[in-house]
Amino acid sequence: DTEVTQTPKHLVMGMTNKKSLKCEQHMGHRAMYWYKQKAKKPPELMFVYSYEKLSINESVPSRFSPECPNSSLLNLHLHALQPEDSALYLCASSHLGTTRGNTIYFGEGSWLTVV
Amino acid sequence: GENVEQHPSTLSVQEGDSAVIKCTYSDSASNYFPWYKQELGKRPQLIIDIRSNVGEKKDQRIAVTLNKTAKHFSLHITETQPEDSAVYFCAATSRGRNTDKLIFGTGTRLQVFP
Repeated sequence: DTEVTQTPKHLVMGMTNKKSLKCEQHMGHRAMYWYKQKAKKPPELMFVYSYEKLSINESVPSRFSPECPNSSLLNLHLHALQPEDSALYLCASSHLGTTRGNTIYFGEGSWLTVV
Repeated sequence: GENVEQHPSTLSVQEGDSAVIKCTYSDSASNYFPWYKQELGKRPQLIIDIRSNVGEKKDQRIAVTLNKTAKHFSLHITETQPEDSAVYFCAATSRGRNTDKLIFGTGTRLQVFP
C-alpha cells in the first residue's frame, strides 16, 4: 500500500476562519511533508517532520501551523489566511535513513480557496 | 541550498517521437533524483528515479541518465503516446541532518499530438 490520504479534497474558507487539513499514511514512514503548489508552478516545500518532530520550516508564515500527533498523522492548521494562500496543498511521506535517498509519495492534495 | 533548473518549459512532439527533458542541480551532495508526472488536477506521480551510484536506469519507454560530474540528469521518453501528455517535474534530494529535502525543477509541459 503506497497510499497517502488527505482530507478534505476541497476547502473554501473565509479570511477569518480556522480550518485544518489532515493527512494519514500507514506505510511506516517516519518523514512527513507539506508542500504548497500554485497553478503552473512546481510544489514548494513548507514543512518536514521526521520522527514526529519538526525538522524543516521553510520560513512559512505563522498563519500556517503544522502538527504531527503521531507517526501516521500530519495536520496543517490554517488561520487568518489571505486569498493568495489559495493553492493545492500536498502532503507526502517517506522512509528515513537510507544512504541514497528515499522515495517520497504524495497524497492527492487538498484544494484550498480563500475568499 | 539546492537549486534545480529544468528545460524546456514546453515540449510538443508527434506521437511516436521521442521526448527529452533536461535538469541541472547545484548541490553536489544531492544523491537522489526522481521524476514526477502530473496530470491536470492530479497529484505528482513518481514515474522513475535514479540514485547517485547509478548512471542510467530504464523502465520500458522511460529512461533517466545522470552525470554527476556535470550535475545534470535527463528524462527520455521513447515512442510517445497522447497519454504521456502532462507536466513533468524533475527533482533533487539533498540529505539534511535528519531529513531528505526534495526540491523540484520548474516543470516541462509535454504535449503529444496524435
